[in-house]
Amino acid sequence: SQQGEEDPQALSIQEGENATMNCSYKTSINNLQWYRQNSGRGLVHLILIRSNEREKHSGRLRVTLDTSKKSSSLLITASRAADTASYFCATDDNQGGKLIFGQGTELSVKP
Amino acid sequence: DAEITQSPRHKITETGRQVTLACHQTWNHNNMFWYRQDLGHGLRLIHYSYGVQDTNKGEVSDGYSVSRSNTEDLPLTLESAASSQTSVYFCASSAGVNQPQHFGDGTRLSIL
Repeated sequence: SQQGEEDPQALSIQEGENATMNCSYKTSINNLQWYRQNSGRGLVHLILIRSNEREKHSGRLRVTLDTSKKSSSLLITASRAADTASYFCATDDNQGGKLIFGQGTELSVKP
Repeated sequence: DAEITQSPRHKITETGRQVTLACHQTWNHNNMFWYRQDLGHGLRLIHYSYGVQDTNKGEVSDGYSVSRSNTEDLPLTLESAASSQTSVYFCASSAGVNQPQHFGDGTRLSIL
């Protein structure tokens, strides 16, 4: 069963714009992680936010976590064509590091 | 640099055949995972292992098996391949709780 649900399923923006992707989940979590997947490749870890954290930054990425609403968002600022990829949220269900993935948001950044 | 490699990258086989997908990691991670990725379903967990001789069933384990005889390898076996198992398979490893997972580049498996 899917824990995370992402919104939107697809997003198309121009280079330089910001991209925001949202993730909602159903049960309590230990942490929430965001991954990127380029076409034909494996997933690459972007950022991990623990349940007691509210915001985290990494370069042009900003992740927020609201455990009361069971939701998270990923913001990519000043997007580039190279950011074109699918983005997945994944929740750690407090059982040893096993993750449950959402279905992903497909981001297209047009030059 | 440490890495995780999957082989083969592409495979075509027939229904009823036994198929084994290899996964090898040099991170020295205890935790290893197998997922399948299908359109409309995202990534779904097939099997996972928290160490040598430890294996556990995931969400979609029917028709699949794994064994863990050393830290580096977690081969995934399809005992009798079915067309419904046509998918892209990903292996991942992690150091443990609150740690990211490192993924291989996947095996695209087609069962005719």
